[in-house]
Amino acid sequence: AQSVTQLGSHVSVSEGALVLLRCNYSSSVPPYLFWYVQYPNQGLQLLLKYTSAATLVKGINGFEAEFKKSETSFHLTKPSAHMSDAAEYFCAVSSAFSGGYNKLIFGAGTRLAVHP
Amino acid sequence: EAGVTQFPSHSVIEKGQTVTLRCDPISGHDNLYWYRRVMGKEIKFLLHFVKESKQDESGMPNNRFLAERTGGTYSTLKVQPAELEDSGVYFCASSQKPPKAGGGEQFFGPGTRLTVL
Repeated sequence: AQSVTQLGSHVSVSEGALVLLRCNYSSSVPPYLFWYVQYPNQGLQLLLKYTSAATLVKGINGFEAEFKKSETSFHLTKPSAHMSDAAEYFCAVSSAFSGGYNKLIFGAGTRLAVHP
Repeated sequence: EAGVTQFPSHSVIEKGQTVTLRCDPISGHDNLYWYRRVMGKEIKFLLHFVKESKQDESGMPNNRFLAERTGGTYSTLKVQPAELEDSGVYFCASSQKPPKAGGGEQFFGPGTRLTVL
């Protein structure tokens, strides 16, 4: 069984401040991990993914995440927030055994607000 | 290249009525997924097609939901009869065949917001 917990349904940061969105997972099999972002009135867009290669994964728009097996975490960070980063962010897990081509299990999402 | 498209973007229906949602995946994508997000909850998997075959339908809530994928191209999700708890946003996603490295990306459509009154 797999599950994802995102700590904090709402996170607010100042423009230029560090962004840290937390994600912890549970998986009985080796996981693939993903971060998706949803901007208003748009579909989910992949930010980055971990597929058992490098544990520090760099994504688009300056985001990165580190896979920590001992902590079962995959937190998303960005050194300096921009106003355009305001969106909802989803962490998701799937099974590595099928090459990731099966269902994604999502966390409940974290809405990020960026204020001037 | 066009992304995943979904129709309609919004649908408001009365309890007991029927609604059909459509998803057009990215051309050439064999894998097609349906997900649903009920307000305030997480996005949940409904089912997965590989071409026209149902690979995994473990997330379908009950037999009021019927999904089809004609000829391995577009897919429809019919809810009949609709109940209040079916309200939510229905997302469709598609992906290519697995590359050697695995962990392929699912490309999501903008969703259909369904409201059942």
